[in-house]
Amino acid sequence: RKEVEQDPGPFNVPEGATVAFNCTYSNSASQSFFWYRQDCRKEPKLLMSVYSSGNEDGRFTAQLNRASQYISLLIRDSKLSDSATYLCVVKVSRNQGGKLIFGQGTELSVKP
Amino acid sequence: NAGVTQTPKFQVLKTGQSMTLQCAQDMNHNSMYWYRQDPGMGLRLIYYSASEGTTDKGEVPNGYNVSRLNKREFSLRLESAAPSQTSVYFCASSESPLYDRANYGYTFGSGTRLTVV
Repeated sequence: RKEVEQDPGPFNVPEGATVAFNCTYSNSASQSFFWYRQDCRKEPKLLMSVYSSGNEDGRFTAQLNRASQYISLLIRDSKLSDSATYLCVVKVSRNQGGKLIFGQGTELSVKP
Repeated sequence: NAGVTQTPKFQVLKTGQSMTLQCAQDMNHNSMYWYRQDPGMGLRLIYYSASEGTTDKGEVPNGYNVSRLNKREFSLRLESAAPSQTSVYFCASSESPLYDRANYGYTFGSGTRLTVV
């Protein structure tokens, strides 16, 4: 089983749609959580950190459920420019090296 | 505002050739990482350096070696390239990933696209 698993893609949605990505992680010692965005043939870039209380950044809302080891990302009013691959990422604890572990990514395509 | 710089951007090698991928960061970050990305596999950690003077194996270290030359530079070497090492390689750096509960993300370089024929 992969340490971080995401919904298989791709997601094809019309402009203005709301889309949700789900992610589960297996390492209960994971300390920090992130969503990254990766455009085609480009490097991953940090989209937002994810906090237990949930957090919002404009049209993007991230949620974390530590008990269920589940992370989500909600994109409201999707734009053409949101088309990308979204990577769920967890940071393991210091005694495990503090490394980031990446999910395989979920591709989003927003159509006019 | 360079961030993380990787060279070269593209490379084609013949099986058995060696090469070194270079990475440098100008953000005074302590930790640096090498990942490879293959279709359907996500990013997999090859080696990392938590701080200057230390290096550790990641998930897929076989066939690679690394050198943390100084705080800025972290190189990845393929001693005898194999077709299975055809991939996109990303270098990344981070400020303080070893601190628990620190929500520091990584900054990535733009990648090296390596083909081994």
